[in-house]
Amino acid sequence: AQSVTQLGSHVSVSEGALVLLRCNYSSSVPPYLFWYVQYPNQGLQLLLKYTSAATLVKGINGFEAEFKKSETSFHLTKPSAHMSDAAEYFCAVRSNTGNQFYFGTGTSLTVIP
Amino acid sequence: GAGVSQSPSNKVTEKGKDVELRCDPISGHTALYWYRQSLGQGLEFLIYFQGNSAPDKSGLPSDRFSAERTGGSVSTLTIQRTQQEDSAVYLCASSLGRKETQYFGPGTRLLVL
Repeated sequence: AQSVTQLGSHVSVSEGALVLLRCNYSSSVPPYLFWYVQYPNQGLQLLLKYTSAATLVKGINGFEAEFKKSETSFHLTKPSAHMSDAAEYFCAVRSNTGNQFYFGTGTSLTVIP
Repeated sequence: GAGVSQSPSNKVTEKGKDVELRCDPISGHTALYWYRQSLGQGLEFLIYFQGNSAPDKSGLPSDRFSAERTGGSVSTLTIQRTQQEDSAVYLCASSLGRKETQYFGPGTRLLVL
């Protein structure tokens, strides 16, 4: 069975500071991993995905994530936070055999001016 | 092109009433997912449609929940005899195929009084 754990339901960073949002997964088979962003009153938008190619994945808006099998992690980072990055971020996992996507409980990112 | 659309955007109903939520996927997308997002929770998978195959209903929380997809396009999620715990945002997503990126609609916010 697959599951996703996002450490920290709320993260605050100063504008210009490093953003680090943590995601750990459990999967019995090599997974597909995703990060989605949800802005207020909007649907989820894909930031990036890992599908067993390069372990460092670059996404939109300057975000990137690194797949670390040994740590079962897929943490999301951005070197310099912008005010517009304030949103809810969800990590998700899907096995390469199943239909279901399993989402974490989300991390709310606040950017302090 | 047009994204995934959902209607209504908001729905307030009384406990015990039935509700229907509609999802219009992106044209040509064969896969369609329904999720429930409760306050402070991650996304909970409900049901998955892929082409003309039998849907994966493994995420439906009770027999009060059902969904259908007509003509491989529009989908309707029906909740019978609504309960207060059904209050949530119901999200629909579609993709070109099972392994492809999901595109989410803006959701329907359901409030059961």
